[in-house]
Amino acid sequence: AQSVAQPEDQVNVAEGNPLTVKCTYSVSGNPYLFWYVQYPNRGLQFLLKYITGDNLVKGSYGFEAEFNKSQTSFHLKKPSALVSDSALYFCAVRDSSGTYKYIFGTGTRLKVLA
Amino acid sequence: DTEVTQTPKHLVMGMTNKKSLKCEQHMGHRAMYWYKQKAKKPPELMFVYSYEKLSINESVPSRFSPECPNSSLLNLHLHALQPEDSALYLCASSQATSLGSDTQYFGPGTRLTVL
Repeated sequence: AQSVAQPEDQVNVAEGNPLTVKCTYSVSGNPYLFWYVQYPNRGLQFLLKYITGDNLVKGSYGFEAEFNKSQTSFHLKKPSALVSDSALYFCAVRDSSGTYKYIFGTGTRLKVLA
Repeated sequence: DTEVTQTPKHLVMGMTNKKSLKCEQHMGHRAMYWYKQKAKKPPELMFVYSYEKLSINESVPSRFSPECPNSSLLNLHLHALQPEDSALYLCASSQATSLGSDTQYFGPGTRLTVL
């Protein structure tokens, strides 16, 4: 069975510092991995995805993610955090059974402190 | 443009009411989704339509009835809901390719409260 894990419920970081939000995955076959961000009472906004190729994926709002096959990880990073980055972040993997389903992680709340 | 719109933004209904949620996209996407999300939890998939046909029903109670009148529109008809159905209902769409790169784009959601 496929799954993604986000081991941290909450991550706190000071404004201007680098941030990392962790995600590990378990899939059979090629992993298709996604990051989404959700602000309070809003829908999910697509940040970036890994399909194949370069292990460092660049996305929206200065975010990037590093795919590591040996560690089965897809951590989200940003070199310098902003207070406005405070939100709920979800990692997801595309189900490989031929459906259009995503499997979401439990989410990580990022709090950037001024 | 990656916009998915949802109406209404907020909905309060009694347990005997009938109401509908509406979702629209004009990106030419051929897959559309309904999710239910409780506070601080990940979205839970309810239904998937691909090419206007229902392809996935995640054992959702019959008081939720989806409808896809055309490739741009998705409705969710609600009847005799329970208070535990109160949640944020999210619509999403994607191109419906068989490739892993098929990306879902979400609407802003409808906040539903059942009294």
